[in-house]
Amino acid sequence: KAGVTQTPRYLIKTRGQQVTLSCSPISGHRSVSWYQQTPGQGLQFLFEYFSETQRNKGNFPGRFSGRQFSNSRSEMNVSTLELGDSALYLCASSWGWGFGQPQHFGDGTRLSIL
Amino acid sequence: SQQGEEDPQALSIQEGENATMNCSYKTSINNLQWYRQNSGRGLVHLILIRSNEREKHSGRLRVTLDTSKKSSSLLITASRAADTASYFCATDAQDKIIFGKGTRLHILP
Repeated sequence: KAGVTQTPRYLIKTRGQQVTLSCSPISGHRSVSWYQQTPGQGLQFLFEYFSETQRNKGNFPGRFSGRQFSNSRSEMNVSTLELGDSALYLCASSWGWGFGQPQHFGDGTRLSIL
Repeated sequence: SQQGEEDPQALSIQEGENATMNCSYKTSINNLQWYRQNSGRGLVHLILIRSNEREKHSGRLRVTLDTSKKSSSLLITASRAADTASYFCATDAQDKIIFGKGTRLHILP
């Protein structure tokens, strides 16, 4: 069974640009969550999607958005990039929504803002 | 403020010794999870313990939960070089999951 796949693995952007990250969950998993990991703030929850609907949301500005498709694949978009958006972005999938079951993580997309 | 706080921040032990990491949290929870992260990789789920459970085992891992003290501990017995990684606790807080800053574990040969 294939694991969670995130593309691309590495990305370099400049301030003011926008970026789209992709996540393919484990087959059969319908929930996808996104996280930002930085040395200073640690691992922070961005949002969770289940059946194409955003179910939960963390404390991030509106520049961070996401969506989920009917095949459960998810994308995350960050607009008007800032230097502080440099981070490892992780997605995780699970069979149900909420956080009462294990999350299965991809290896992340490392985003660098110049 | 951080929901989960791991202690210690870093830990170095000899191969074969036991490693204990602690996690404290602030609000009531439904469950607590422990994850491992190897450098540059995603997190790997280790154990989930529910608020009505006090102890759980998985192979060389033992997790305890004390809801009265709002704390949990992860014990890794007979450590191996492959256990070198960062370990995080995660708690569900209403409609979000909150991770601690992690404990960096280094197993010395």
